[in-house]
Amino acid sequence: AQSVTQLGSHVSVSEGALVLLRCNYSSSVPPYLFWYVQYPNQGLQLLLKYTTGATLVKGINGFEAEFKKSETSFHLTKPSAHMSDAAEYFCAVTYTGGFKTIFGAGTRLFVKA
Amino acid sequence: DSGVTQTPKHLITATGQRVTLRCSPRSGDLSVYWYQQSLDQGLQFLIQYYNGEERAKGNILERFSAQQFPDLHSELNLSSLELGDSALYFCASSVGQGAGGNTIYFGEGSWLTVV
Repeated sequence: AQSVTQLGSHVSVSEGALVLLRCNYSSSVPPYLFWYVQYPNQGLQLLLKYTTGATLVKGINGFEAEFKKSETSFHLTKPSAHMSDAAEYFCAVTYTGGFKTIFGAGTRLFVKA
Repeated sequence: DSGVTQTPKHLITATGQRVTLRCSPRSGDLSVYWYQQSLDQGLQFLIQYYNGEERAKGNILERFSAQQFPDLHSELNLSSLELGDSALYFCASSVGQGAGGNTIYFGEGSWLTVV
């Protein structure tokens, strides 16, 4: 079955520290991979996505993610956390020819001053 | 602003009642998606329409139904409401028929509270 797993429902980092949010997917066909962010009382918005080409994808607000096929992973990173990064982050996947986007359970990022 | 408009933003209703949530997709988007977000279930895909036709179905209860109209707006009907239906319901839209590599644009959601 196709699925998306986000390791860690909550991640806490200090301001200025590295942010690493983990995402693994299961797939027997090439995936399209996304990271969305949800700020309090708002809808989800796209951070970045991988469709084809370069496996290191850069997104908004200094975030980037790397598609690693051998590890079936698409981890999200940011070198230096900012207080404004506190939000919930969702990894999502769709598949070639598929109509459905599958979202992970989400990871809530806390940033400490 | 994603361009996806949802109404109402907040709704409180009693068990057993029926409500309708409305969504206008981004200009030019033909696909509309409905998601339910709750604390215990996370973000659950309910259903997708493309240009008026149902395209994909997720964990949508039989008490729930949706449709997409010729002007591309969509409605999600929730009936015989139960306390457990209390959640944030998102509408989203994308260009194109399949989700594929298309970005999905989310509205701000409709908060439903069943009392």
